[in-house]
Amino acid sequence: DAKTTQPPSMDCAEGRAANLPCNHSTISGNEYVYWYRQIHSQGPQYIIHGLKNNETNEMASLIITEDRKSSTLILPHATLRDTAVYYCIALGAGNMLTFGGGTRLMVKP
Amino acid sequence: EPEVTQTPSHQVTQMGQEVILRCVPISNHLYFYWYRQILGQKVEFLVSFYNNEISEKSEIFDDQFSVERPDGSNFTLKIRSTKLEDSAMYFCASRSGRGLGGYTFGSGTRLTVV
Repeated sequence: DAKTTQPPSMDCAEGRAANLPCNHSTISGNEYVYWYRQIHSQGPQYIIHGLKNNETNEMASLIITEDRKSSTLILPHATLRDTAVYYCIALGAGNMLTFGGGTRLMVKP
Repeated sequence: EPEVTQTPSHQVTQMGQEVILRCVPISNHLYFYWYRQILGQKVEFLVSFYNNEISEKSEIFDDQFSVERPDGSNFTLKIRSTKLEDSAMYFCASRSGRGLGGYTFGSGTRLTVV
């Protein structure tokens, strides 16, 4: 699976949108972009995934660039409970989910 | 919403003892996994299980580890002779297998080897 690069940490003000970037410049055509998060030693939680179209669900939106080399996870109105480590993972069908270092998002009051 | 359930939430064991960590995956899921996370480190893949056999394992998953699905609901991880470095959070996960849906993780078992 393609390597992904994320900033190690970010801050966001409560109530504002949190925009978490991810670079996956070597992603191949059959690899999806997945986002998970881990809130303080809890089990990782699936957020969203996409191939090339932008996706939205009740948790977040995923914006994938046209060339698919990068993406952004958007939490539209971040709350203190969104403080977590966010993982961007490029994953092909049948491959194993593996976690990198992620972005530690701190939502501040 | 369906959950993956792990028990116990915390286990303390003496070095050299055997431990069994238990998981009840989501009932209609077909793929099962164990991951671990040593304190302050990344979440690491250990093993995947499908159709009653191991489908993939990492180099961490050596001979002291084994997995079993003894009945239709439980999925267990056994560590035969625990070492201090086995102290970690152990997460079970399951996936339905249909399409590319997300993995659902349990809340983990904190294993402390003393």
